[in-house]
Amino acid sequence: QSALTQPRSVSGSPGQSVTISCTGTSSDVGGYNYVSWYQQHPGKAPKVRIYDVSKRPSGVPDRFSGSKSGNTASLTISGLQAEDEADYYCCSYAGSYTFVFGTGTKVTVL
Amino acid sequence: QVQLVQSGAEVKKPGASVKVSCKASGYSFTGYYMHWVRQAPGQGLEWMGWINPNSGGTNYAQKFQGRVTMTRDTSISTAYMELSRLRSDDTAVYYCAIRPATYWYFDLWGRGTLVTVSS
Repeated sequence: QSALTQPRSVSGSPGQSVTISCTGTSSDVGGYNYVSWYQQHPGKAPKVRIYDVSKRPSGVPDRFSGSKSGNTASLTISGLQAEDEADYYCCSYAGSYTFVFGTGTKVTVL
Repeated sequence: QVQLVQSGAEVKKPGASVKVSCKASGYSFTGYYMHWVRQAPGQGLEWMGWINPNSGGTNYAQKFQGRVTMTRDTSISTAYMELSRLRSDDTAVYYCAIRPATYWYFDLWGRGTLVTVSS
């Protein structure tokens, strides 16, 4: 099972929007609507921001949104804030009760 | 409150085994699948597998089959992940995380356990 492909880094100024892509195959991202996104600050455990492609858990700001087209899922952070600076990982269900994570993207707030 | 408390850091020699624990509190231990995810230094997240605390059933990522064993003790609401035949590239932070029953994401994570493999 190969890791999903994400850009190594993206950056934006406060208030701007950034989008992170997550590319897999028809056996994972493209085959199921079970993509989730995690935010990880240095030295901390990941926290879920989006699940089921576009749903936000309670308490997650609506600045975070998700979408999917074919084998590529995307996470958009609108109105970028300083505290959004972190690593972000996508994750997809990959069939047979297995999961696969993305390679990770570092978001820098300029 | 709802939390997963993991055991402390470990240092092991190549070829040895390590057993990491994850104690659950604040929710029904048997109601959520327990997953294990690891992260090598400066690297990304890697899914290792899960255990169903209710039945004891397991499912491991192909990469770890034959080397990983996930178990649980329902009497103390604790899950375990044992990795054998350790190599230097097994040096990583190992996280436990739970998945809500009818969803496909990881809702709550432990703080992680650093396992260092060094001669």
